[in-house]
Amino acid sequence: GAGVSQSPSNKVTEKGKDVELRCDPISGHTALYWYRQSLGQGLEFLIYFQGNSAPDKSGLPSDRFSAERTGGSVSTLTIQRTQQEDSAVYLCASSLGTGHTDTQYFGPGTRLTVL
Amino acid sequence: GQNIDQPTEMTATEGAIVQINCTYQTSGFNGLFWYQQHAGEAPTFLSYNVLDGLEEKGRFSSFLSRSKGYSYLLLKELQMKDSASYLCAVMDSNYQLIWGAGTKLIIKP
Repeated sequence: GAGVSQSPSNKVTEKGKDVELRCDPISGHTALYWYRQSLGQGLEFLIYFQGNSAPDKSGLPSDRFSAERTGGSVSTLTIQRTQQEDSAVYLCASSLGTGHTDTQYFGPGTRLTVL
Repeated sequence: GQNIDQPTEMTATEGAIVQINCTYQTSGFNGLFWYQQHAGEAPTFLSYNVLDGLEEKGRFSSFLSRSKGYSYLLLKELQMKDSASYLCAVMDSNYQLIWGAGTKLIIKP
């Protein structure tokens, strides 16, 4: 029924702290993506999960970033020792996963501000 | 490297027609997507082109020329609610979406 949901909608943290961002994909969608969007910029791919396959982590900018997907549904993106340049909107998207060119449906995003 | 180019900002008048262009250079091609993103909201899907030609969907149409690495999104009978950013994205040979920075469309009465 519902679309992709993300929490929190806004997160303000201090430099050096760890943060966790959550994504609940559309029920039945096997593919899940994380993107980052800085002000006035395009979407930057971070990580992709497809079913039980090993995730595509090629977009993660540093080893401070990690993500997991439990039970093939909910995903958590963790940023350790946050830096000011991590400030951005973090978007999650899901798709059916039956084909590579499936339409991606986006959540409302989490706006992260690192002070 | 891979690159998607689209104008940063365009202005048009309510009721008019506007064409937003997108050119791309990517490693392989598995289709081109257009998304609409209102300020502070998530992108929403508009269209997908994988073959050359024009796809029409109500007031919105999308065109693709693979040989030229070029697409456009055509919006007719513009309404104030069409004020948004329009994102062009190309799926490369690894089935990864490469995104443009978006075109901010401003509609004036």
